[in-house]
Amino acid sequence: EIVLTQSPGTLSLSPGERATLSCRASQRVSSSYLAWYQRKPGQAPRLLIYGASSRATGIPDRFSGSGSGTDFTLTISRLEPEDFAVYYCQQYGSSPATFGQGTKVEIK
Amino acid sequence: QVQLQESGPGLVKPSETLSLTCAVSGYSITSGYYWVWIRQPPGKGLEWIGSLYYSGSTYYNSSLKSRVTISAYTSKNQFSLKVSSVTAADTAMYYCARGQSHAGSFFFDYWGQGTLVTVSS
Repeated sequence: EIVLTQSPGTLSLSPGERATLSCRASQRVSSSYLAWYQRKPGQAPRLLIYGASSRATGIPDRFSGSGSGTDFTLTISRLEPEDFAVYYCQQYGSSPATFGQGTKVEIK
Repeated sequence: QVQLQESGPGLVKPSETLSLTCAVSGYSITSGYYWVWIRQPPGKGLEWIGSLYYSGSTYYNSSLKSRVTISAYTSKNQFSLKVSSVTAADTAMYYCARGQSHAGSFFFDYWGQGTLVTVSS
């Protein structure tokens, strides 16, 4: 199965700053079938990005995804207070679907 | 707006069967998509458990396949998860979700909040 490694483990930033999160796959992710999710305590995880770069319904355009092959990036252009959360990448190019271990974006 | 809500016992004894239900509102599970269970043990990563297609086909992670059953209760717009012969390693936050399939794998566009299940005597 494909192993996803996210970095950094924790990102300490201030509101208004840019966040860049990395997700690296142990094998090529077929057809850029990579998704990103946001999870906050006590809330349902939320789909942000699918197909490496397509925003899900209702997701603000400050969230963007890029990458292909084995290297993918989630960028939050200007952090809003509600963006401080844990972010996970997930590949669905091969079975079983697998997730990264998460990056926590915390307030500096 | 699609909403999912997990329910079930929070404590299960070792060797017994874990049973959870996911109630879906805002969308009929017979109208399409896949209906999915995912879990996250404490301090570990998220793990896809399995998926149920609205037609009744099921797909399971091979790591759990021999112990897992996902079923639909269409009259209640619910689906369920059963994991047999549980051990402490099955202690986790369990999520239900709606899935979309590509190449035999899935991504998940709506999730429940999750329910914590502890396996302990």
